[in-house]
Amino acid sequence: KAGVTQTPRYLIKTRGQQVTLSCSPISGHRSVSWYQQTPGQGLQFLFEYFSETQRNKGNFPGRFSGRQFSNSRSEMNVSTLELGDSALYLCASSLASTNEQFFGPGTRLTVL
Amino acid sequence: GENVEQHPSTLSVQEGDSAVIKCTYSDSASNYFPWYKQELGKGPQLIIDIRSNVGEKKDQRIAVTLNKTAKHFSLHITETQPEDSAVYFCAASREGQGGKLIFGQGTELSVKP
Repeated sequence: KAGVTQTPRYLIKTRGQQVTLSCSPISGHRSVSWYQQTPGQGLQFLFEYFSETQRNKGNFPGRFSGRQFSNSRSEMNVSTLELGDSALYLCASSLASTNEQFFGPGTRLTVL
Repeated sequence: GENVEQHPSTLSVQEGDSAVIKCTYSDSASNYFPWYKQELGKGPQLIIDIRSNVGEKKDQRIAVTLNKTAKHFSLHITETQPEDSAVYFCAASREGQGGKLIFGQGTELSVKP
């Protein structure tokens, strides 16, 4: 069974731009969660989607948004990028939101 | 708010020794506690997990223990091997919010041959 895939793997943007990251969950998984990983703050929860609905949200500004499609694929968008948004963005999928989460390899975003 | 404290931040052991990593959580409603291993350039990999109705769980050289009263859980790796070298994260989630994991700060484990 294929694992969680994330595209693109690497991305370089400049301040003020916006970016969209994509996540394809493991086949059959309906829950997708997003996390931001930085050396200073560690792994922080952004939001979770289940059956196209946002179920949980972390403490990030409104510049961070996401959505989930009917095939469970998910995207996250960051608008008006700031230098501090440079991070590894990880997506995780699970069968349902109470089950084990499996992570993708992440998208490394660099904001210049 | 919800918080997970993890110690130590770095751990160096000789091959064949045991390694123990400890975590403490603040939210008494937490009921699911996974452990992840992250190698350089990769996403976290789930290695073992435990739920609040269980005190201990083992999988070959890896075990996790949970003390609900103390809000404390630990990862034990026996007979360590160089390929165990990685960053290990503990996490917790509460009832009804299984998709939201609160992570510890991570432990960088180095196993010296």
